[in-house]
Amino acid sequence: GENVEQHPSTLSVQEGDSAVIKCTYSDSASNYFPWYKQELGKRPQLIIDIRSNVGEKKDQRIAVTLNKTAKHFSLHITETQPEDSAVYFCAASRGTSGTYKYIFGTGTRLKVLA
Amino acid sequence: EADIYQTPRYLVIGTGKKITLECSQTMGHDKMYWYQQDPGMELHLIHYSYGVNSTEKGDLSSESTVSRIRTEHFPLTLESARPSHTSQYLCASSESQLRNTIYFGEGSWLTVV
Repeated sequence: GENVEQHPSTLSVQEGDSAVIKCTYSDSASNYFPWYKQELGKRPQLIIDIRSNVGEKKDQRIAVTLNKTAKHFSLHITETQPEDSAVYFCAASRGTSGTYKYIFGTGTRLKVLA
Repeated sequence: EADIYQTPRYLVIGTGKKITLECSQTMGHDKMYWYQQDPGMELHLIHYSYGVNSTEKGDLSSESTVSRIRTEHFPLTLESARPSHTSQYLCASSESQLRNTIYFGEGSWLTVV
């Protein structure tokens, strides 16, 4: 079946450094790729998303890139801060029509060291 | 404020008890979901619904059942709780439009002793 692979599973960076999390999806019909941040004891919350007709999207310190040919998408966090420490989940979705699927990656635990 | 509300937030119950986790959303969404998640771990889809009277089992086998009698309400029931059911249960919803982002409730933490 379809799946989304996410790497790395854990990531430690020094405050101020950049962090990159990568995901690979298998369903070529996927066309929507959101990223969620889940802080300890909280619900997952959407932080950025990208559609298949766009290659890159940026929102302040966060950016997402998409390579449709390779079926890769990545989350980039620049100038990391301690409050960026959380578990991050990527997801791939094929939209609203037909067999609707929303598949999450296995998560990356990011630790920003002060 | 539009949101997804889950009750109870925390519950400790004995083995063999019946429990219903409530989920209501005021987002106006058609699709609703239940995910099971151990702290900081993977999100496992256990049930989903595309609308009223529509329910499907998810990727992770679960002994729980769900119902969707009203658009805004999607309760999950465990007929006989076991310690292996101890986990966090996250209710979620999404709209049936192009931007089909999933939004999560705050979760129900269930401990079965």
